[in-house]
Parts: sequence; C-alpha cells; structure tokens
Amino acid sequence: QLQLQESGPGLVKPSETLSLTCTVSGGSISSSSYYWGWIRQPPGKGLEWIGSIYYSGSTYYNPSLKSRVTISVDTSKNQFSLKLSSVTAADTAVYYCARQRSMVYATGWGQGTLVTVSS
Amino acid sequence: EIVLTQSPDTLSLSPGERATLSCRASQSISSNYLAWYQQKPGKAPRLLIYGTSSRAADIPDRFSGSGSGTDFTLTVSSLEPEDFAVYYCQQYGSSPPELTFGGGTKVEIK
Repeated sequence: QLQLQESGPGLVKPSETLSLTCTVSGGSISSSSYYWGWIRQPPGKGLEWIGSIYYSGSTYYNPSLKSRVTISVDTSKNQFSLKLSSVTAADTAVYYCARQRSMVYATGWGQGTLVTVSS
Repeated sequence: EIVLTQSPDTLSLSPGERATLSCRASQSISSNYLAWYQQKPGKAPRLLIYGTSSRAADIPDRFSGSGSGTDFTLTVSSLEPEDFAVYYCQQYGSSPPELTFGGGTKVEIK
C-alpha cells in the first residue's frame, strides 16, 4: 500500500529557505503513470498547489511561487524534495506531498507537516 | 489562470439528507480534469471523484459527480455521520500544466 511521509524542520526563520522531503514507500517513484507534488494549506484556509515533478526530473510550478520554489527527485532513495526560499509568515502552512495520476489529480497524500515561519 | 468558485461556503444538513455542492469555473474546462476531495479536521484530503464523475477506489456510491463546461456538482445522496467534512473541487490546466483548487464547502451537522 502506497505511503508518503513528509519530513523536515517545523520552524523556519523569515528570509530563510524551507526544505522538506517526501519519502515514498509501497510504490516506485519511477512509475511512468504518476507525478509527485507538493500542496500546502495555511491554517484555517484552503489548498494551494506548489508544484510537481516527474521521475525524469521535469517540473511544473505554481506561477505565483515559481521564483522561490525548487522541487527535485532522488529515484535511488524513492524521495522527492521541496525548497522554498525567502520565506515569510505567509508561508506558514501544513505542507502535503502527494502522488498525482498523470498530474491531473492526487490519488494519495502524506499526512502533512506543519511548517511555521517565525523568528 | 482558471478560478474555481465553490458554493455555498457552508451547508448545514442533517444525516440522511441530500447534499448538493457546486463548483463553477471561470472558463470552460475538460470534464476529464475535474476532481473532488474530502477533508476532515487534522487529516489530509482524500480523493473522492476524478474525471468529473468517476469514483475513486473504496468511495461509496452515495457520492456522485456531474457537470460539464463551467458548472460541476458533487452530490451526496444521503449523508452519513462520517460525511460531515470540507469538500474541495480541483481542476488541472494543461497549458501550462497546473492545479487549482476551489475555496471549499463545509458540510456541517444541522
């Protein structure tokens, strides 16, 4: 059974870089049918897509975040990662990693990890 | 960028009642690219419907989706206690590839 698990610091200082990793188990990140994405949810608010990556390394980003986002993949570890630079309090959110069928919809989600931006 | 507007913001219903949730797109989208998710407090969203009307694995048949063009609907035929949650619609745009979500509809117990 597919499982996704986010990991990384729960507290990041303003202007620094947020870094998270998603470890995939129960399935291969190199599957040709899926993209792997990051989605976030500020406390009490709705969902926002951050970006997605294919196992080959092709990436797509939310235009509103594109200048600050880097998503990478490590197929040898069955992991993909998110870096978000120059964070502010507005980046405080629960960050989810997800498996996306052909990038169209998310069929599986991690449990989410809360990242707070504060000094 | 396509904007998805969900209505109502909150739906107050009793168990056993029918819930009808609306998702309206700012421009026409392919029915292949519209999905619905359910989210309970403190949990990750769960895929309910993809391709406008196809139920995801293990989703009971009281959940159904319909629509085309700019207007899409999620219907829960008879609410069970576990169905009280927030529901989000989501669309996939292909040029460039991106996902957008609606603002959500909360279905609460009346």
